[in-house]
Amino acid sequence: AQRVTQPEKLLSVFKGAPVELKCNYSYSGSPELFWYVQYSRQRLQLLLRHISRESIKGFTADLNKGETSFHLKKPFAQEEDSAMYYCALRAFTGSARQLTFGSGTQLTVLP
Amino acid sequence: GAGVSQSPSNKVTEKGKDVELRCDPISGHTALYWYRQSLGQGLEFLIYFQGNSAPDKSGLPSDRFSAERTGGSVSTLTIQRTQQEDSAVYLCASSLDSLQGGGEQFFGPGTRLTVL
Repeated sequence: AQRVTQPEKLLSVFKGAPVELKCNYSYSGSPELFWYVQYSRQRLQLLLRHISRESIKGFTADLNKGETSFHLKKPFAQEEDSAMYYCALRAFTGSARQLTFGSGTQLTVLP
Repeated sequence: GAGVSQSPSNKVTEKGKDVELRCDPISGHTALYWYRQSLGQGLEFLIYFQGNSAPDKSGLPSDRFSAERTGGSVSTLTIQRTQQEDSAVYLCASSLDSLQGGGEQFFGPGTRLTVL
């Protein structure tokens, strides 16, 4: 079975500092990885997906199959980045096509 | 059009009572998912519907939980004989198709269930 691990429940950084939210996964096949974000009092929404290889709001994430990681990075954090971030994996095993989410990391960017 | 909607937004019930939570997915989305978000636990998959296929119920925590999706659109999650550990935010999401659409799921605002 697939599993997603986010080792940090809470992460605080100062504005302008680099930030990295860690995500590790276990899955025997070829995964699709996503980062979802939930800002205060807003809905959970997609931030980025590894297949797009895009940068959204200054965030990037690279899939490292050797280390089975998909860490989310931003070189200069902003206060508006404060939110709950979830790493998610989509696997294709039988009928199991739902997302498996990590437990989330609450990011706080301090002024 | 509107996004995924859920009702009620908040539900307080007494232990042992049954509750029904409703989800209206985005029109045209064939895949619908229910998750449970508990404090410190992240998102826990409950059940998923894809078109007319049999639902994937592998995430339902007990037989007190059930869900149906009528007409391929609206879905209802029912919890019978609620327990205090059922207290959580129940999230519904929909997507174009579980295989296509890049895997992006669109989430509703959730229903906060409190069991006293």
